[in-house]
Amino acid sequence: AQSVTQPDIHITVSEGASLELRCNYSYGATPYLFWYVQSPGQGLQLLLKYFSGDTLVQGIKGFEAEFKRSQSSFNLRKPSVHWSDAAEYFCAVGYTGGFKTIFGAGTRLFVKA
Amino acid sequence: DTAVSQTPKYLVTQMGNDKSIKCEQNLGHDTMYWYKQDSKKFLKIMFSYNNKELIINETVPNRFSPKSPDKAHLNLHINSLELGDSAVYFCASSPPSETGDETQYFGPGTRLLVL
Repeated sequence: AQSVTQPDIHITVSEGASLELRCNYSYGATPYLFWYVQSPGQGLQLLLKYFSGDTLVQGIKGFEAEFKRSQSSFNLRKPSVHWSDAAEYFCAVGYTGGFKTIFGAGTRLFVKA
Repeated sequence: DTAVSQTPKYLVTQMGNDKSIKCEQNLGHDTMYWYKQDSKKFLKIMFSYNNKELIINETVPNRFSPKSPDKAHLNLHINSLELGDSAVYFCASSPPSETGDETQYFGPGTRLLVL
């Protein structure tokens, strides 16, 4: 069965510091992988996605993620965090024709001045 | 232009009542979903519909009844509301399956509080 693990419930980083949010998935074939962001009181917004091809994908707001098949990981990175990046981040896995996307439990990002 | 809209945004009601949440998307998508997000932010799929047909029902109590009058709408009716139904309910849609794109486009959510 598909599953997504985000090991960190919350992370605190200083503004301007680099960020890496971890995501591991379990799926038999190559999955479709996503990162979404949810600001307080808002819906979820897509940051980036991986379907195939280049394993390093670029997203909005300066985020990137790298698919590593050998580690079943899809970690999210940003070189310099801004205070406005404070939010909940969700990793998700799906597959074509599945009509079902599985979400991780989320990682809450706090940014300190 | 709101891509996926939900009404109402907030819903406060008493136990035992029946309530409905409406969802509309103007993206031309074929597939729509309902998710429940609990107080710990865990997001769980409830239903998915493709071309107005129910595809997935994730062991949701039958007090919850989705209805899709057309491809652009997916409403959620909840009977006999219970305290545990308090959560944020998100509607979402995704492009046609033949595109191979499973990206979810989310509505703003409906915050349901059952007293």
